[in-house]
Amino acid sequence: AQTVTQSQPEMSVQEAETVTLSCTYDTSENNYYLFWYKQPPSRQMILVIRQEAYKQQNATENRFSVNFQKAAKSFSLKISDSQLGDTAMYFCAFTLGGANNLFFGTGTRLTVIP
Amino acid sequence: ETGVTQSPTHLIKTRGQQVTLRCSSQSGHNTVSWYQQALGQGPQFIFQYYREEENGRGNFPPRFSGLQFPNYSSELNVNALELDDSALYLCASSFVGRGAGELFFGEGSRLTVL
Repeated sequence: AQTVTQSQPEMSVQEAETVTLSCTYDTSENNYYLFWYKQPPSRQMILVIRQEAYKQQNATENRFSVNFQKAAKSFSLKISDSQLGDTAMYFCAFTLGGANNLFFGTGTRLTVIP
Repeated sequence: ETGVTQSPTHLIKTRGQQVTLRCSSQSGHNTVSWYQQALGQGPQFIFQYYREEENGRGNFPPRFSGLQFPNYSSELNVNALELDDSALYLCASSFVGRGAGELFFGEGSRLTVL
């Protein structure tokens, strides 16, 4: 079975500070892709960052970076210089091979405090 | 590019009724997938359509069905509604050949079953 676990239901961070959201996953497959999606209140879910499992280098997108530990099946998201617009639900997800059917975690609600 | 649009945004049905939700994919996208997001949960994959045929399905019963039209718009139909079908239904479009799992979501249709 494919599962994603996000153990932090809620987190908060001061504006301009750094926060790390945790995610672990379980799959017996070797070819997969990992994602962090952001769902702002009453707005569309958008892709934040994407990591191919075969790549050892951690993905980075501006203020967002990941720490991918394949052996530990861990995929955390670091947000640097947090901004008020980062307030949202963050979902960790993965998909096998080249498919588009994502397995999502239950999400972490992040609040950025002014 | 136009985004993914869904209709209706909110609707209320009673148990046993049938519902049709609609989605207009992002321009140029040829694949559409549907997800169910229950309150406090992450999205769960229902099914995906490519070239007007279902080419992937999650753990949902046959009373969940769909259509994809030549203009890549899509419908999700749910028959014999149950109370547990109350959820946010998300449509996501993508383009085969683009990065796996790189989905563009609509804002969703919130269904309440009484």
